[in-house]
Amino acid sequence: ETGVTQTPRHLVMGMTNKKSLKCEQHLGHNAMYWYKQSAKKPLELMFVYNFKEQTENNSVPSRFSPECPNSSHLFLHLHTLQPEDSALYLCASSQDSRQGNTEAFFGQGTRLTVV
Amino acid sequence: GNSVTQMEGPVTLSEEAFLTINCTYTATGYPSLFWYVQYPGEGLQLLLKATKADDKGSNKGFEATYRKETTSFHLEKGSVQVSDSAVYFCALSDRGNTGKLIFGQGTTLQVKP
Repeated sequence: ETGVTQTPRHLVMGMTNKKSLKCEQHLGHNAMYWYKQSAKKPLELMFVYNFKEQTENNSVPSRFSPECPNSSHLFLHLHTLQPEDSALYLCASSQDSRQGNTEAFFGQGTRLTVV
Repeated sequence: GNSVTQMEGPVTLSEEAFLTINCTYTATGYPSLFWYVQYPGEGLQLLLKATKADDKGSNKGFEATYRKETTSFHLEKGSVQVSDSAVYFCALSDRGNTGKLIFGQGTTLQVKP
């Protein structure tokens, strides 16, 4: 149990579908992150939220839309995705994204396949 | 910009062999350094960290020393086990920025009995 829970664990969606990924943390953290993990590529940071405010958008296409209603929940809304968006999407949390020496805790990820 | 470079994998070792996974970084300022491990089908778990030069992080028999002069944070273990088979990620966190983690590309370790 990592304290960060992602649902669903696996998702297959068509290019015209709309779906959402959910992340929930029970660690009392104030920062939450979305990362994309593709085969043979480094983890790519997508979005950072700190105290519910988005502090970073790493040039992510608009077909990915994050939402952070409170410090414990983070969503990634998906629409009109492309096959190259197939990847493992990892959510993470940390105490405060401005504190660089505190570790991030990761969920188990959502394996997304776009067909 | 900041970056992390890890040695290419996969690394294949026999049980009880000595492990080194090289990691070097480029950063402005004084980053914190981390090693994360990802077991099959799971997310990343923090393995160890070091927050300033000459600090040594250690956990589960793994060690890494923050070397500012060589901008390195190599991961070592004296005697690997089959259960250590996983993907290992070196990462840095830039203080004073968003604190985001910047990862290396990961090194796959396979330990054979």
